[in-house]
Amino acid sequence: AQSVAQPEDQVNVAEGNPLTVKCTYSVSGNPYLFWYVQYPNRGLQFLLKYITGDNLVKGSYGFEAEFNKSQTSFHLKKPSALVSDSALYFCAVRRISGGYNKLIFGAGTRLAVHP
Amino acid sequence: KAGVTQTPRYLIKTRGQQVTLSCSPISGHRSVSWYQQTPGQGLQFLFEYFSETQRNKGNFPGRFSGRQFSNSRSEMNVSTLELGDSALYLCASSSGLKDYGYTFGSGTRLTVV
Repeated sequence: AQSVAQPEDQVNVAEGNPLTVKCTYSVSGNPYLFWYVQYPNRGLQFLLKYITGDNLVKGSYGFEAEFNKSQTSFHLKKPSALVSDSALYFCAVRRISGGYNKLIFGAGTRLAVHP
Repeated sequence: KAGVTQTPRYLIKTRGQQVTLSCSPISGHRSVSWYQQTPGQGLQFLFEYFSETQRNKGNFPGRFSGRQFSNSRSEMNVSTLELGDSALYLCASSSGLKDYGYTFGSGTRLTVV
């Protein structure tokens, strides 16, 4: 079965410091991995995806993620956090079953960036 | 280009009623997926439609149904509403290509009282 784990319910970071939001996955075959961000009372905004190619993926708003196949991880990173980055972050893996697709999400990690 | 449009944004319904939610995908996208988000269960896949056909269905009771029209707009219907159906319902649009991503709408917040 394919699954995604986000081991931290919340991550606290001081503004200007680097941030990391962790994600590990379990999938058969090649993983298609995604990061989304959700602000209060809003839908999910796409940050970045890994399909194939370079292990370091750059995305929106200065975020990047590193795909590590041996550790089955896809951690989200940003060199310098902003207060406006405070939101709920979801890691997801795309499950392909019988040619059909759906996203399987982690439980989410709340990022709090303090001034 | 226009994003994914979900209507209405908010709904309040009474137990036992039924509700219909609408999603207009990005122009040219043929795949529409629906997800339910609750604090307890997180984001759960409901179903996916592609070119008017339901391709995949999540583990939800038959009270949850959907359809897709020829213009790719999709509706989901929940009959005999229960308090536990209170959730944010999100629609995701995609092109269907192999390396596609998903673009989500802002969601419909359904409250069942």
